[in-house]
Amino acid sequence: AQSVTQLGSHVSVSEGALVLLRCNYSSSVPPYLFWYVQYPNQGLQLLLKYTSAATLVKGINGFEAEFKKSETSFHLTKPSAHMSDAAEYFCAVTLGDDMRFGAGTRLTVKP
Amino acid sequence: KAGVTQTPRYLIKTRGQQVTLSCSPISGHRSVSWYQQTPGQGLQFLFEYFSETQRNKGNFPGRFSGRQFSNSRSEMNVSTLELGDSALYLCASSPDRALYNEQFFGPGTRLTVL
Repeated sequence: AQSVTQLGSHVSVSEGALVLLRCNYSSSVPPYLFWYVQYPNQGLQLLLKYTSAATLVKGINGFEAEFKKSETSFHLTKPSAHMSDAAEYFCAVTLGDDMRFGAGTRLTVKP
Repeated sequence: KAGVTQTPRYLIKTRGQQVTLSCSPISGHRSVSWYQQTPGQGLQFLFEYFSETQRNKGNFPGRFSGRQFSNSRSEMNVSTLELGDSALYLCASSPDRALYNEQFFGPGTRLTVL
């Protein structure tokens, strides 16, 4: 069985600080991995996805994520947080005909 | 290009009733998926339709059903509503298989069951 775990339901950073949102998955084969962002009262928007072409994936709004097979991780980072980054972030994994989302991490950015 | 639209945006029903939610995908997208989002269970995959056929189904009871029309528009139906069905129901469209490609989400329908 596969699952995805997001460590930390809430993360708070100061504006300009590094953003690190953690995602670990359990799978016996390389999965497809996604990061989505959800702003209040909106649907989800894709930030980036991993499909085995490259381990370091660059997404929109300055976000990137690195696939580490040995650690079964796909953590999301951004060098410098902006106030507009405040939102909920979801990691998702697809394997075969199943798709699972993590519980989400709410990012707060302090001025 | 217009985004994914969902109607209605808000809905209030009572236990035992049934409800139908509608989703219009982005033009040209053939895949439509439905998700349930609740504070307790998070985001859960309901099912995916592709070219009018259900392709994948999540772990939900048979009270949850859907269909897709020839123009790719999709409807989701929940019968015999329970209090626990209160949730935000999200629809997402994709040009091809949803599980491997970017999905474009609508704003959701917030269902409240009293």
